[in-house]
Amino acid sequence: GAVVSQHPSRVICKSGTSVKIECRSLDFQATTMFWYRQFPKQSLMLMATSNEGSKATYEQGVEKDKFLINHASLTLSTLTVTSAHPEDSSFYICSARTGGPGNTIYFGEGSWLTVV
Amino acid sequence: GQNIDQPTEMTATEGAIVQINCTYQTSGFNGLFWYQQHAGEAPTFLSYNVLDGLEEKGRFSSFLSRSKGYSYLLLKELQMKDSASYLCAASRANQGGKLIFGQGTELSVKP
Repeated sequence: GAVVSQHPSRVICKSGTSVKIECRSLDFQATTMFWYRQFPKQSLMLMATSNEGSKATYEQGVEKDKFLINHASLTLSTLTVTSAHPEDSSFYICSARTGGPGNTIYFGEGSWLTVV
Repeated sequence: GQNIDQPTEMTATEGAIVQINCTYQTSGFNGLFWYQQHAGEAPTFLSYNVLDGLEEKGRFSSFLSRSKGYSYLLLKELQMKDSASYLCAASRANQGGKLIFGQGTELSVKP
């Protein structure tokens, strides 16, 4: 079953509004989670590293004031797309490393954002 | 810098074997992941190699050569449902679960 859960899977919002996407680690604690975005027929682009209890680390070119990341607990990170515009429409995916034996990286189910 | 290359597209026949290659250049290399991604869905984990050699998991195998900066994913007894994008991704030491992805290889399996 899924080890990383994302919600919502699909969301449509009006231009200018904000949208929050949640990423949860199931049955394990994740001090670090990662947020990616993916445009059609392109690969995943890392947006930021979400650190529990501290500020997120953003990749070059990603606006931190536009893509707010909060990692308030060891099992939950949220990405808020603020003042969304149609060009923000994309597939947003989070990931987390499980740690321990079988240490590997799993992705959430992804969230399709459409800004109209 | 860092760079990961894999072919953009491949086509194979149902029941055949296909090998998807990936070359990488990255400092602090700490393992190579392969993921499968169907259109409109999130990537699903296939394999993780950190040591040189071949790892076999059913119909899928993955190989790594750290000295050559090279990996491949081998798919045997291809099925139509194997048509998907296959993503090669490198992880770096001391960067937790941060992955650097290749552009993905779109595999089409034909009858």
